[in-house]
Amino acid sequence: SQQGEEDPQALSIQEGENATMNCSYKTSINNLQWYRQNSGRGLVHLILIRSNEREKHSGRLRVTLDTSKKSSSLLITASRAADTASYFCATRSGGSNYKLTFGKGTLLTVNP
Amino acid sequence: KAGVTQTPRYLIKTRGQQVTLSCSPISGHRSVSWYQQTPGQGLQFLFEYFSETQRNKGNFPGRFSGRQFSNSRSEMNVSTLELGDSALYLCASSRQGSGELFFGEGSRLTVL
Repeated sequence: SQQGEEDPQALSIQEGENATMNCSYKTSINNLQWYRQNSGRGLVHLILIRSNEREKHSGRLRVTLDTSKKSSSLLITASRAADTASYFCATRSGGSNYKLTFGKGTLLTVNP
Repeated sequence: KAGVTQTPRYLIKTRGQQVTLSCSPISGHRSVSWYQQTPGQGLQFLFEYFSETQRNKGNFPGRFSGRQFSNSRSEMNVSTLELGDSALYLCASSRQGSGELFFGEGSRLTVL
């Protein structure tokens, strides 16, 4: 079953614009992660935010986490054509649950 | 440092056959996870191994099995293949205590 649900499912923007993707989840989490996947390839880890953190930055990426609303957002600033990919949020619950539960992803297209 | 290596990258099988997929994790990573990715169901967790022990299993039938060897390399096997098993099978490794997963490029299985 899916834990995270990304919104929107697809997003098309021009180079230089910012892209914002949202993720909602259902149960308590230990951390939330964002991954990128270029068409048909493996996933690449972008950023991890723990449940006690509210915001995190990495280069052009900014992630926020609101545990009261069970939601997160990923902001990519000054987007480039190379950012074209699918973006997934993934949650990890605590305890002995070692799996990541992924959402269905947002397909981002950055037009040159 | 070499990344996660999955073999074979592509394979075609017919219904009723079985298949074995291999995954070599990043050196020093003792945790290996497997995911199935399909257009309809997205990324679904199959199982996770650590030090040759299966720690978690997803909701897949018993036809899906896996194992991990003493050198942390892992294999997964799917027996009595069905058309619905056509998917991209992704392997990921991680360090103990780290939430981040490092994915391979996947094995794309087509069942005819």
